Amino acid sequence: AQTVTQSQPEMSVQEAETVTLSCTYDTSESDYYLFWYKQPPSRQMILVIRQEAYKQQNATENRFSVNFQKAAKSFSLKISDSQLGDAAMYFCAYRSAHRDDKIIFGKGTRLHILP
Amino acid sequence: EAGVVQSPRYKIIEKKQPVAFWCNPISGHNTLYWYLQNLGQGPELLIRYENEEAVDDSQLPKDRFSAERLKGVDSTLKIQPAELGDSAVYLCASSLRRGPLDTQYFGPGTRLTVL
Repeated sequence: AQTVTQSQPEMSVQEAETVTLSCTYDTSESDYYLFWYKQPPSRQMILVIRQEAYKQQNATENRFSVNFQKAAKSFSLKISDSQLGDAAMYFCAYRSAHRDDKIIFGKGTRLHILP
Repeated sequence: EAGVVQSPRYKIIEKKQPVAFWCNPISGHNTLYWYLQNLGQGPELLIRYENEEAVDDSQLPKDRFSAERLKGVDSTLKIQPAELGDSAVYLCASSLRRGPLDTQYFGPGTRLTVL
C-alpha cells in the first residue's frame, strides 16, 4: 500500500525568507501524481501545486516550487519570499494514475511565519 | 463561483446520539467525496460518489455511518449512533471528474465533538 510521510510536524520561517517542507512516499507504481495542499486555520483546504511522476521538470507556481526526486521517492515543497498568509498546515499527497482516484495524504506540517 | 458548502460548521452531541452533515458541491461537479480528518492527521476518504452512485465506500464504517447523494447533487453523511471516537472534522470535496489530475475542491468542514 502507498504511504506518505511528512517528518516535520512543525516548522517556522521568518517572513520573506525561504522554507522547504519535506515529504517522502512509498509506492511500487511508476505512474502517479503528487500534490501539496494548504489548509489555513479554519479555512478550506486548497491545492498549492501538483506534479506528474512522468515529468522530470519540477512544477512551479509563483512562489511555490517542488523538488521531485523520483528515484528517492522524495517530493519537497519550497516556499520563497514567505508571507504571513502562508501560515497553514501543508499536506503532501499521493494519487495513483491507474487505479481509483483515492488521494493518500500525509500527516501534515504546520508552518508558522514569523514577522 | 460559489465553493463547496458544508453545514453545520460545528456540532456538539452526546454519545449515542445521531448526527447528520450536509454538503452542497460546486455546481456541475459530478464527483463528491467525504473525508474524515482526525486531529493532527491528513484527510482519509470515507466515500466517493460519481453522480448519485457510491463508487468507493470501502472505508465507510457501515455499521454506524451512512451517506446518500440524492439526484447527484447535495449529499448527507449520517452517524447513528455517534461514539466518542467519531470526534473529528468531516470534509466534503467535489471535482468535475475529467481525469486523475482533476482538482478536488474542499469545503470548510464540519467539526464534530462527541461528549
